[in-house]
Amino acid sequence: QKEVEQNSGPLSVPEGAIASLNCTYSDRGSQSFFWYRQYSGKSPELIMSIYSNGDKEDGRFTAQLNKASQYVSLLIRDSQPSDSATYLCAVGYSSASKIIFGSGTRLSIRP
Amino acid sequence: KAGVTQTPRYLIKTRGQQVTLSCSPISGHRSVSWYQQTPGQGLQFLFEYFSETQRNKGNFPGRFSGRQFSNSRSEMNVSTLELGDSALYLCASSLVFGEREQYFGPGTRLTVT
Repeated sequence: QKEVEQNSGPLSVPEGAIASLNCTYSDRGSQSFFWYRQYSGKSPELIMSIYSNGDKEDGRFTAQLNKASQYVSLLIRDSQPSDSATYLCAVGYSSASKIIFGSGTRLSIRP
Repeated sequence: KAGVTQTPRYLIKTRGQQVTLSCSPISGHRSVSWYQQTPGQGLQFLFEYFSETQRNKGNFPGRFSGRQFSNSRSEMNVSTLELGDSALYLCASSLVFGEREQYFGPGTRLTVT
């Protein structure tokens, strides 16, 4: 089992719809979770961090964390073509004192 | 506040040569991590430095090394370059060591011919 798993996609969503990106992790002791957005040819950009169970909202983005199910997700409301990018899930592994990145989900917003 | 800076942005080297990449973290950040990103392997962790000490290391051969200076600036070195070392090398800074928010620099695109 991979430490951080994401569906590679591509995930195609119509403009204006909700995009839902999912991530599972293997370390039950993990306490910190992050979502990064990476445009083609650019470096990853931190868009959300979440540390507690439940939802965290920031503008059109909502991160959801369920530690019991070892699951974290990112919802993007009112998807725009500019949201087309690869989204990387990252999990803080306390056992190793480091952040582990998933391989990313490629999101495409179609007009 | 200035972001993470990396130099050079692009580099072309020949097999067998060695290369040094530089990273300056966000002011006040004391931890620097290095990653290699390739289309096939995704983002691979190289190492993390905090207070001039390597705190974590990924599964890369000894040809990959790094260091951190007292001003938190970091360098990574790759000796005896191989074609497979062609990648985007990313530096990320964070306030402290461990599982906290990391902020990435623009990266150095290394091409080995």
